[in-house]
Amino acid sequence: SQQGEEDPQALSIQEGENATMNCSYKTSINNLQWYRQNSGRGLVHLILIRSNEREKHSGRLRVTLDTSKKSSSLLITASRAADTASYFCATDADSNYQLIWGAGTKLIIKP
Amino acid sequence: EAGVTQSPTHLIKTRGQQATLRCSPISGHTSVYWYQQALGLGLQFLLWYDEGEERNRGNFPPRFSGRQFPNYSSELNVNALELEDSALYLCASSKEETQYFGPGTRLLVL
Repeated sequence: SQQGEEDPQALSIQEGENATMNCSYKTSINNLQWYRQNSGRGLVHLILIRSNEREKHSGRLRVTLDTSKKSSSLLITASRAADTASYFCATDADSNYQLIWGAGTKLIIKP
Repeated sequence: EAGVTQSPTHLIKTRGQQATLRCSPISGHTSVYWYQQALGLGLQFLLWYDEGEERNRGNFPPRFSGRQFPNYSSELNVNALELEDSALYLCASSKEETQYFGPGTRLLVL
């Protein structure tokens, strides 16, 4: 069963604007990861945040984690057309490294 | 460093046939995961292999099976293909927490 639930399911914004996607999960986690999938291709790892971290940055990406609310957000600043993709969150709930995946947010950046 | 590779990129089969999909992990990675992704949907976990052993399988019928070879490459076999098996099949390898994905095999069952 899916643990992560991304919100919104789809998001369409103008190039240059910021995009925020949210992920909620159900059980305690060791870490939460965000991945990007360009149309019909393999997923690319973006960022990993551990359960004892609250915020993490990587280039134009900012991820926050609120373990009390069991939620995470991914912020992409100054969006570009190349950011058009589906974004998935995945949680590592125990120590066996098997990830539990959300259904994804489809992001469209309009030029 | 070479990434995860999958073959073939596309596969067309008819209902009732068998399909074999292959995956080569990143050098040094011992874990291989298989996922099914139907068009426009999320990833459904199929199988996890580590050090040659099946560690876990998702909620799929037994006609989905696989194996991992001594060099850590892996095969996914789907027997008695059904129309709803049409999907993108993704393989990922990992050493620790992060999974690295191949480009996928798109299977079409007619």
